[in-house]
Amino acid sequence: SQKIEQNSEALNIQEGKTATLTCNYTNYSPAYLQWYRQDPGRGPVFLLLIRENEKEKRKERLKVTFDTTLKQSLFHITASQPADSATYLCARPYSGYSTLTFGKGTMLLVSP
Amino acid sequence: DTEVTQTPKHLVMGMTNKKSLKCEQHMGHRAMYWYKQKAKKPPELMFVYSYEKLSINESVPSRFSPECPNSSLLNLHLHALQPEDSALYLCASSQVAQSSYEQYFGPGTRLTVT
Repeated sequence: SQKIEQNSEALNIQEGKTATLTCNYTNYSPAYLQWYRQDPGRGPVFLLLIRENEKEKRKERLKVTFDTTLKQSLFHITASQPADSATYLCARPYSGYSTLTFGKGTMLLVSP
Repeated sequence: DTEVTQTPKHLVMGMTNKKSLKCEQHMGHRAMYWYKQKAKKPPELMFVYSYEKLSINESVPSRFSPECPNSSLLNLHLHALQPEDSALYLCASSQVAQSSYEQYFGPGTRLTVT
């Protein structure tokens, strides 16, 4: 089966540091991965999509990498702020690329 | 308008009740989704509608009945639910039912079954 794993349930860092979240997948490399942010009691919000041939993608303080050899995507938030505290979900294609399956998420807590 | 709206925000129902959750989007998206999310778990796909037709049912019990009256609306009819069905129910939409498109999620309906 096509699994996607976010092994860290929680990550605590200090404000101003870089947060790095990990997403691992099994079986074949998907053509792309998506990253979402979810605040408590709210729906996820799309952040970035990275394709397998892109290796790295940036959006403001966010950076995502895609390593097909390691079967891993890394999500970085530079100069982190308390407002970045949330759960971050990665997702891969599912069911013939018609929809997504989500990882368990990593809860990021940025302390002042 | 990039908003997906869901009503009600909260719902408490008994095991013998019948209720409906509603979802609406006006982005012209042709794919709409229902997800169920338990605390500290990821969203779990329940149903996918593509061009107003049910395209995916993730083996969801028949006490959950989806309906897509038109391209902007999605309903989830609930009947004879169990306490373990208590969860956050999320609606989402995307341009088409293709996983390379981002999904826009609504705020969810917090359902409690007593």
